[in-house]
Amino acid sequence: EAGVVQSPRYKIIEKKQPVAFWCNPISGHNTLYWYLQNLGQGPELLIRYENEEAVDDSQLPKDRFSAERLKGVDSTLKIQPAELGDSAVYLCASSLGTGVLSTDTQYFGPGTRLTVL
Amino acid sequence: AQTVTQSQPEMSVQEAETVTLSCTYDTSESDYYLFWYKQPPSRQMILVIRQEAYKQQNATENRFSVNFQKAAKSFSLKISDSQLGDAAMYFCAFSGYSTLTFGKGTMLLVSP
Repeated sequence: EAGVVQSPRYKIIEKKQPVAFWCNPISGHNTLYWYLQNLGQGPELLIRYENEEAVDDSQLPKDRFSAERLKGVDSTLKIQPAELGDSAVYLCASSLGTGVLSTDTQYFGPGTRLTVL
Repeated sequence: AQTVTQSQPEMSVQEAETVTLSCTYDTSESDYYLFWYKQPPSRQMILVIRQEAYKQQNATENRFSVNFQKAAKSFSLKISDSQLGDAAMYFCAFSGYSTLTFGKGTMLLVSP
């Protein structure tokens, strides 16, 4: 069974340019997560989707970040315009169930390393 | 809000030896889950072990085991018979009625 797929693996852009990351979760997984991981830190949640609904986007900087999960399967995270401080690894994860209590194990993709020059 | 603390930025172990990574957490929730994830240089976060808070028995997965002390809010990971492939960043994580919260990680170095 294929794991969580992310693309691209690496992206280098100049500041003020737009960038987009794509994630395809494990087949059948209803919940999808986007995390931001700064160097030397643990991942921090940006947004969580249950099916196609964003149920927790409280940590997403909505002035420049946007996300979508059309049809409740794959998802795209966009930054426009990118800033120097956005340089980080962007991780996608998925889990099987939905609900308030996060009991399901999250499975992670390999991440996208973004460098903003 | 819950917090997860990993007080050891880096640990070293020799092959075949045993090492213990520490993790403490703070929460007011009674039902929750705890995880240890491994992140090698490839960046892929890999689940190592999972513990349900309502279970008193400590979880084990082959060479990996945990010491879960609910009253002390402590969740340490023991790696027995360490192998070179165990070298990675290890993250402790808490999951309850909100999001998965990670600690800052412990870098495990394994020497021959």
